Amino acid sequence: EDKVVQSPLSLVVHEGDTVTLNCSYEVTNFRSLLWYKQEKKAPTFLFMLTSSGIEKKSGRLSSILDKKELSSILNITATQTGDSAIYLCAVEPETSGSRLTFGEGTQLTVNP
Amino acid sequence: NAGVTQTPKFRILKIGQSMTLQCAQDMNHNYMYWYRQDPGMGLKLIYYSVGAGITDKGEVPNGYNVSRSTTEDFPLRLELAAPSQTSVYFCASRAGALSGNTIYFGEGSWLTVV
Repeated sequence: EDKVVQSPLSLVVHEGDTVTLNCSYEVTNFRSLLWYKQEKKAPTFLFMLTSSGIEKKSGRLSSILDKKELSSILNITATQTGDSAIYLCAVEPETSGSRLTFGEGTQLTVNP
Repeated sequence: NAGVTQTPKFRILKIGQSMTLQCAQDMNHNYMYWYRQDPGMGLKLIYYSVGAGITDKGEVPNGYNVSRSTTEDFPLRLELAAPSQTSVYFCASRAGALSGNTIYFGEGSWLTVV
């Protein structure tokens, strides 16, 4: 059974801090790892990672995959209150249905 | 440009009642999914479908049923509602299995069973 573990489960920081969120996984026949941001409603897509060592970047957010360590990190620099959300990590296997297995999420709170 | 549409957004059910959560997508996606999310938790897959007429169980299928008679629609049925089914339900769709195909989520349906 596929498994995703995220840490920490919750994090409280001040505006301007840099945070690193962790995701480790076990999956049979890995295809991709995805990061989502969830604010009250549906998750919104951030990144899809398929190759080890290649950083994906979008503004102050960046992510990288380490297939050897079966893990990924999501970095957020110069955090803002608008970054407060649950950050979800999911893995996708190379199987029919491409169903995602999600981690528990990291609840990030950014205080002014 | 509707994307994935779920109805209803909110519903309160009594124990033992039945209901159907509707999900429709207008992107001609083959793959559709139903997830539930309990408070403070990640999403757990209930059922999924890889195309019209094909459905399969996810991690937590007990107490639910689905059908996929058309590409567009993927309703989720709760036959005998139980308090343990109080959750937020998300429907999602995806074009296919190729890497790079983004999964699109509906807005969610908040269900309370009392």
